[in-house]
Amino acid sequence: QVQLQQWGAGLLKPWETLSLTCAVYGESFSGHYWNWIRQPPGKGLEWIGEINHRGSINYNPSLKSRVTISVDTPKNQFSLKLNSVTAADTAVYFCARRPRTLAIDYWGQGTLVTVSS
Amino acid sequence: DIVLTQSPDTLSLSPGERATLSCRASQSVSGSYLAWYQQRPGQAPRLLIYYASSRATGIPDRFIGSGSGTDFTLTITRLAPEDFAVYYCQQFGSSPRTFGQGTKVEI
Repeated sequence: QVQLQQWGAGLLKPWETLSLTCAVYGESFSGHYWNWIRQPPGKGLEWIGEINHRGSINYNPSLKSRVTISVDTPKNQFSLKLNSVTAADTAVYFCARRPRTLAIDYWGQGTLVTVSS
Repeated sequence: DIVLTQSPDTLSLSPGERATLSCRASQSVSGSYLAWYQQRPGQAPRLLIYYASSRATGIPDRFIGSGSGTDFTLTITRLAPEDFAVYYCQQFGSSPRTFGQGTKVEI
């Protein structure tokens, strides 16, 4: 059974850096793309980016200047950093798995990140 | 970027009725790499359909995906009480892997 477990700080001040990590259990890390998606309160889903085990990355251009996604293959973990956060970055952040040619099939539990002074 | 526009924004129906949700892309979706997800309040989305018409594991056959190119449809043939939720389409044929804005199916 594949499980994605994510963690990170839930309350940030403006201009700080958001940092989340997602650990993958029960599945090989290779052969998939590992995604970050966010959802502002009461709003829709926004794709942030994805990475594979080799470090091949795709970013949403709207966030690309502030986002870094990285992978730690030996630990079966991947991470998200978003710098210079503002209130507009307040959202539930999800990590997720996308098999290479398929859609997202497993999701983490979500982490609410609130940006407030 | 491929923009996905879902319609309607809200669909008000009763259990047992048929729901038809639309997802229109601003340009052709490569390889019909179009998925549908269901999201209930407080939960992560759940994959329903991939490749536009293939049901994910464990998804009831009342969920039917169809379409190609720029026009895609999710049909729920007979709404069950647990189907009242928000539905999103996503294309993963090109980057960025954009989502539609969602359709809420409500009683």
